[in-house]
Amino acid sequence: EDQVTQSPEALRLQEGESSSLNCSYTVSGLRGLFWYRQDPGKGPEFLFTLYSAGEEKEKERLKATLTKKESFLHITAPKPEDSATYLCAVIKAAGNKLTFGGGTRVLVKP
Amino acid sequence: AAGVIQSPRHLIKEKRETATLKCYPIPRHDTVYWYQQGPGQDPQFLISFYEKMQSDKGSIPDRFSAQQFSDYHSELNMSSLELGDSALYFCASSLGQNNQPQHFGDGTRLSIL
Repeated sequence: EDQVTQSPEALRLQEGESSSLNCSYTVSGLRGLFWYRQDPGKGPEFLFTLYSAGEEKEKERLKATLTKKESFLHITAPKPEDSATYLCAVIKAAGNKLTFGGGTRVLVKP
Repeated sequence: AAGVIQSPRHLIKEKRETATLKCYPIPRHDTVYWYQQGPGQDPQFLISFYEKMQSDKGSIPDRFSAQQFSDYHSELNMSSLELGDSALYFCASSLGQNNQPQHFGDGTRLSIL
């Protein structure tokens, strides 16, 4: 059965303390893996798309990587404004719907 | 840059009433998606449209219907509302269907009393 799972569920970091979020998937025919950031009461904000194993994308303090089984979102030297829920989602072989993985709530304390 | 616009932002209805949610995609985007997000949950896909035709269907109740108009905006019509329909409803848009990033609006918060 297709599954997308994120870990940990929640992460508390000190400002400047780098860490990684995990998104593991067992999906037949992965067509794309997407990372979003969501603030309370807001819509998910698109961060990255990864299409094939070995691909990496970077934006400011964030870097996303993809293997055949999982994706990582690395947060380097985070700041309090990086506090948010980070969502991983996949598009499978058939259709264009996003299937989300549960999210990781990140809190960065000054 | 222009984003996805949803209206209204908040809506309060009573059981068995009807509601219409509107979505205006990013200019030139031809594909629209609707998602429902309950408290503490992931967004769940409801339905999508490409070039005004339904392109995919998820767990959308029969009480709900949607369409995409010639100007690419979309409306989600909800009837016989139930308490369990209380949620955030997001619209997203993309340019084309082939694995393109979906850009989300800030949602409509629907509360059923």
